[in-house]
Amino acid sequence: GENVEQHPSTLSVQEGDSAVIKCTYSDSASNYFPWYKQELGKGPQLIIDIRSNVGEKKDQRIAVTLNKTAKHFSLHITETQPEDSAVYFCASEASGTYKYIFGTGTRLKVLA
Amino acid sequence: EAQVTQNPRYLITVTGKKLTVTCSQNMNHEYMSWYRQDPGLGLRQIYYSMNVEVTDKGDVPEGYKVSRKEKRNFPLILESPSPNQTSLYFCASSLSWGSSEQYFGPGTRLTVT
Repeated sequence: GENVEQHPSTLSVQEGDSAVIKCTYSDSASNYFPWYKQELGKGPQLIIDIRSNVGEKKDQRIAVTLNKTAKHFSLHITETQPEDSAVYFCASEASGTYKYIFGTGTRLKVLA
Repeated sequence: EAQVTQNPRYLITVTGKKLTVTCSQNMNHEYMSWYRQDPGLGLRQIYYSMNVEVTDKGDVPEGYKVSRKEKRNFPLILESPSPNQTSLYFCASSLSWGSSEQYFGPGTRLTVT
């Protein structure tokens, strides 16, 4: 079946540095790729998403890039801050179904 | 305030004792879904609903039931809970399926002994 692989599982960066999280998907017909941030004790919250007709999207310090040929997409966080510390999930839609497939998550720690 | 609510937030129960976790959204969303979150496995979809009276299995439906009798409510039912259903559960809703942001509830931590 379809799956989404996410790496790394944990990531520690110094405050002010950049962080990159990568996901690879198997369903070449997938068209929508969201990223969710989960803070401790809370439900995931959408932070940015990208559709297959776009290669890159930015929102302030956060950007997502998509390479449909290679079937991977990445989350980039610049100028990291302590409040960026959280678990991040990538996801894709499973084409031909009405299901979502999530990655296994990346725990990001921003060290002050 | 637009939100997804779940109850209870915490539940400890014993094997075989039927339980229901409620989920409600106030955003008139058509699509609703249940996920379980386990360490190292991420979020896995249990069941989803495209609209009232339309439900279907996700990737890990065994041992669970759902119903969608009203648009706003989507309860998760465990008829005979087992210890391997100990997990963190999230309900989510979105306007529709397809390129649509999902709004997640605060989670229900279930322990089955």
